[in-house]
Amino acid sequence: RKEVEQDPGPFNVPEGATVAFNCTYSNSASQSFFWYRQDCRKEPKLLMSVYSSGNEDGRFTAQLNRASQYISLLIRDSKLSDSATYLCAVGLNTPLVFGKGTRLSVIA
Amino acid sequence: EPEVTQTPSHQVTQMGQEVILRCVPISNHLYFYWYRQILGQKVEFLVSFYNNEISEKSEIFDDQFSVERPDGSNFTLKIRSTKLEDSAMYFCASRSSPGEGYTFGSGTRLTVV
Repeated sequence: RKEVEQDPGPFNVPEGATVAFNCTYSNSASQSFFWYRQDCRKEPKLLMSVYSSGNEDGRFTAQLNRASQYISLLIRDSKLSDSATYLCAVGLNTPLVFGKGTRLSVIA
Repeated sequence: EPEVTQTPSHQVTQMGQEVILRCVPISNHLYFYWYRQILGQKVEFLVSFYNNEISEKSEIFDDQFSVERPDGSNFTLKIRSTKLEDSAMYFCASRSSPGEGYTFGSGTRLTVV
């Protein structure tokens, strides 16, 4: 089983839609969880950390489900500028392991 | 906002040549990393560096790779004898503590011909 798995997509959604991505991880002892955004041929940029109680940053909400070993990212009111690849990253006081990413295209 | 700086942005080299990729991490960060991303693939861990020594390395990071922090600011990745399959985007990253997310540099695109 791969350490960190994501549905590669693409997710094609209209502007204004709500879209959610999941990311599963294999190491139940993992402690650190993050969502990154990566634009084509650019570096990953930290979008948000994922906390046990869940957390929200504007239109973005991240959740952690330890029992089922996955994290989720919800984007509300999608904008054209949200089009990118979303990477999850998981760690345990160790170097982060990244998923391959989920591609999102927001269409006008 | 503090940045991680990488140079060069693009390097083309012949197979068998040595390359050095350079990074300046954020000044108050203590943990440094090199990752690579082959086109269309995931971001893969190469090596982590803390307290002036390698703390962890992946199986990709074999004897042809080395890292150095020659002074208080630079963090370099050397590939001794490049192969075609080393062609990738190489990202440097840093963070101030193990529980935080990384800040990545903008990357060096290495093309081995």
